[in-house]
Amino acid sequence: DTGVSQNPRHKITKRGQNVTFRCDPISEHNRLYWYRQTLGQGPEFLTYFQNEAQLEKSRLLSDRFSAERPKGSFSTLEIQRTEQGDSAMYLCASSSDGPGGFFGPGTRLTVL
Amino acid sequence: DAKTTQPTSMDCAEGRAANLPCNHSTISGNEYVYWYRQIHSQGPQYIIHGLKNNETNEMASLIITEDRKSSTLILPHATLRDTAVYYCIPKAQGQNFVFGPGTRLSVLP
Repeated sequence: DTGVSQNPRHKITKRGQNVTFRCDPISEHNRLYWYRQTLGQGPEFLTYFQNEAQLEKSRLLSDRFSAERPKGSFSTLEIQRTEQGDSAMYLCASSSDGPGGFFGPGTRLTVL
Repeated sequence: DAKTTQPTSMDCAEGRAANLPCNHSTISGNEYVYWYRQIHSQGPQYIIHGLKNNETNEMASLIITEDRKSSTLILPHATLRDTAVYYCIPKAQGQNFVFGPGTRLSVLP
């Protein structure tokens, strides 16, 4: 499968714990996006990388959230000191310089 | 500010064409019109995109008005598996996707 992959698919954690998600984009895609989606809502933009550079961050991305894309390939999204309000689906998407974008299956986070 | 206006929900009979409208009256000249859909608990799936001309692929057809202020996604023969939330998204190259609430399409047997 040459699509966008995300791991883990599901994560259950206790409030206050740190969690890290991984996204592997389509290999030739230089752009990578993270989104968050809560129940009944459309996905909301969190952050965007072009190669290894993080070019844009939403104000939704509080200081407990950090994202990296160290070699311009895979990316990680870490949430520190999780809160119940962080429970959501976290989606990753990648694209090339042309139009379009492809989403991964998402990581569903549940904070107890 | 909302970039698009879509019906909240629509029903379609199985085997019939589903026509999903979208208003994007503030679209910029360099923005394409993208359509994605999201089946329950899955990531959004790309359907089709266009700039000015009508487009067709194996999934759907996209009709864009001449003034580009609105478009219609057509699923020619809807099946039960087409039940999903459909998002219309104007987006320029390099921009991030801005999702609205979309249209919840229910295909009925």
